[in-house]
Amino acid sequence: EAQVTQNPRYLITVTGKKLTVTCSQNMNHEYMSWYRQDPGLGLRQIYYSMNVEVTDKGDVPEGYKVSRKEKRNFPLILESPSPNQTSLYFCASSAGGGNTEAFFGQGTRLTVV
Amino acid sequence: GENVEQHPSTLSVQEGDSAVIKCTYSDSASNYFPWYKQELGKRPQLIIDIRSNVGEKKDQRIAVTLNKTAKHFSLHITETQPEDSAVYFCAATLDSWGKLQFGAGTQVVVTP
Repeated sequence: EAQVTQNPRYLITVTGKKLTVTCSQNMNHEYMSWYRQDPGLGLRQIYYSMNVEVTDKGDVPEGYKVSRKEKRNFPLILESPSPNQTSLYFCASSAGGGNTEAFFGQGTRLTVV
Repeated sequence: GENVEQHPSTLSVQEGDSAVIKCTYSDSASNYFPWYKQELGKRPQLIIDIRSNVGEKKDQRIAVTLNKTAKHFSLHITETQPEDSAVYFCAATLDSWGKLQFGAGTQVVVTP
């Protein structure tokens, strides 16, 4: 089954404790991205990747890191999480970039206390 | 960069009535306009999209219209049903490797 898989689904952590949210897709998509969803703000892009080893900042990259060492994986790293990073996070992939259908993961609900 | 505004933020309709959601965008070079539906607790999923060389597109009870001159596009849902209750997001992008800019979302509630 074609899918984008994120882990974990729920995470509660403390301020400053490094964490990684994993994202994997099995559709051989070149384009992957991370979004955060906050009430009233919609989906805001954090980082995107056009291919292996090619990444770029989205609209809200501060406090986040990404890497794309393999085509299928695009982890999101929070080196020192803060409470303002409490949010719902979605990973997405698409075959041809921003102007083709984006397939989203199930989402990760992150709470930083 | 691109900025997308979406209205209304909430929309309550009676079952069987029509619903219209409107979005405006700022960059005249944008050429792809998808709409995503997010049911409660679920991931966003594409329901329809339109490219800048097309003025209107329909798929059963949903349709999207695009006015490039005015830089706005709209989602129309006819004969609404309770399963249409969800948050709907519009988005715009101007190139294949660029950012997909989303609107803030519209919460649609269809009451029986």
